[in-house]
Amino acid sequence: EPEVTQTPSHQVTQMGQEVILRCVPISNHLYFYWYRQILGQKVEFLVSFYNNEISEKSEIFDDQFSVERPDGSNFTLKIRSTKLEDSAMYFCASSEQNSNQPQHFGDGTRLSIL
Amino acid sequence: QKEVEQNSGPLSVPEGAIASLNCTYSDRGSQSFFWYRQYSGKSPELIMFIYSNGDKEDGRFTAQLNKASQYVSLLIRDSQPSDSATYLCAVMTDSNYQLIWGAGTKLIIKP
Repeated sequence: EPEVTQTPSHQVTQMGQEVILRCVPISNHLYFYWYRQILGQKVEFLVSFYNNEISEKSEIFDDQFSVERPDGSNFTLKIRSTKLEDSAMYFCASSEQNSNQPQHFGDGTRLSIL
Repeated sequence: QKEVEQNSGPLSVPEGAIASLNCTYSDRGSQSFFWYRQYSGKSPELIMFIYSNGDKEDGRFTAQLNKASQYVSLLIRDSQPSDSATYLCAVMTDSNYQLIWGAGTKLIIKP
């Protein structure tokens, strides 16, 4: 069964550094998403992406964050000047259509900011 | 503020019994409803989705939706120890396509 893949599985970074989290969505999916989950807390929506542009973003997704689809398969989340509070699990998801189709999640990247 | 509420649990159910998980949501414009299972340290895994009022069955799982009362539930029949996990309710509205998540209910199936 097709799946969303994320790399790396765990990223440890010094505060203030930039990180790039990578995702390969399911190949025939058109809509891509990033979520984060701080340990012990709810899953939080960050951003959705379609047709090479952001379609929705949350208040969390400020100027520190950016997303890109650099080629036909990868979808990346960049976090500039990381802060301690950015430590969380980051999940990528994709869906065939935006309107109401289920979103399928990757295994996540655990980001630890020291 | 759109919210999705779930009892955090833990909900303890004997093996073989029916587990009933509930979720309420605040936005009447919500149209799509999803149940995900999350094992500790893992990503959410889609279990069921439902769009219309009533019941939807898939194997041991039944999702129930009541839009008038703004609740959605998940029933797990013949509960197995492997069903022990946190169950997340997620809701999507037509005004945007963000999933709004509940905090999850921790389910423990006791052998």
